[in-house]
Amino acid sequence: GESVGLHLPTLSVQEGDNSIINCAYSNSASDYFIWYKQESGKGPQFIIDIRSNMDKRQGQRVTVLLNKTVKHLSLQIAATQPGDSAVYFCAEKGNSNYQLIWGAGTKLIIKP
Amino acid sequence: NAGVTQTPKFQVLKTGQSMTLQCAQDMNHNSMYWYRQDPGMGLRLIYYSASEGTTDKGEVPNGYNVSRLNKREFSLRLESAAPSQTSVYFCASSEHWDIASGYTFGSGTRLTVV
Repeated sequence: GESVGLHLPTLSVQEGDNSIINCAYSNSASDYFIWYKQESGKGPQFIIDIRSNMDKRQGQRVTVLLNKTVKHLSLQIAATQPGDSAVYFCAEKGNSNYQLIWGAGTKLIIKP
Repeated sequence: NAGVTQTPKFQVLKTGQSMTLQCAQDMNHNSMYWYRQDPGMGLRLIYYSASEGTTDKGEVPNGYNVSRLNKREFSLRLESAAPSQTSVYFCASSEHWDIASGYTFGSGTRLTVV
């Protein structure tokens, strides 16, 4: 069946370092992926998305990489700041246009 | 620009009680969604409304009902609450029903059923 998983439940990084959050997916037919950020007490917030016809997409301080060969997705955050502390979710489009399949989330902790 | 507003923010129910979670968006979005979020898990879709006047089941609809009251409002009702429905509930909206159009989430309702 379809599933989206994350390699690490918690990631601690030093402020100013780069962060890499990983995600594995199982449905090779998935054609659209999204990363969300969820701060404590708030709803998820869109960060960046990528379609399966791309292998890399860059935003402001964030880059998403897609490796379809091994069904792996990663989110890179450059020069991590305290405000980046949050839980990060990857999600993939399911079998229908309304369906998003969410991973369990990775908690990013920023050390001063 | 409030975005997506959910009420209440917190609620404690006794098993068997009923309640309605309210959601309203002011972005003129066509599609609205209800998700639940449990510890250590990603969000799971309960119900969605692709457009005003339509509602459909998501992954985990059992024990819930919804009403798309108008384009702005989408409510979620628990007719007889059970402890398994203890969760954080998020409402979201999007410009149209293709998820690629991007979701805007509310801040959530934390529900505890005792």
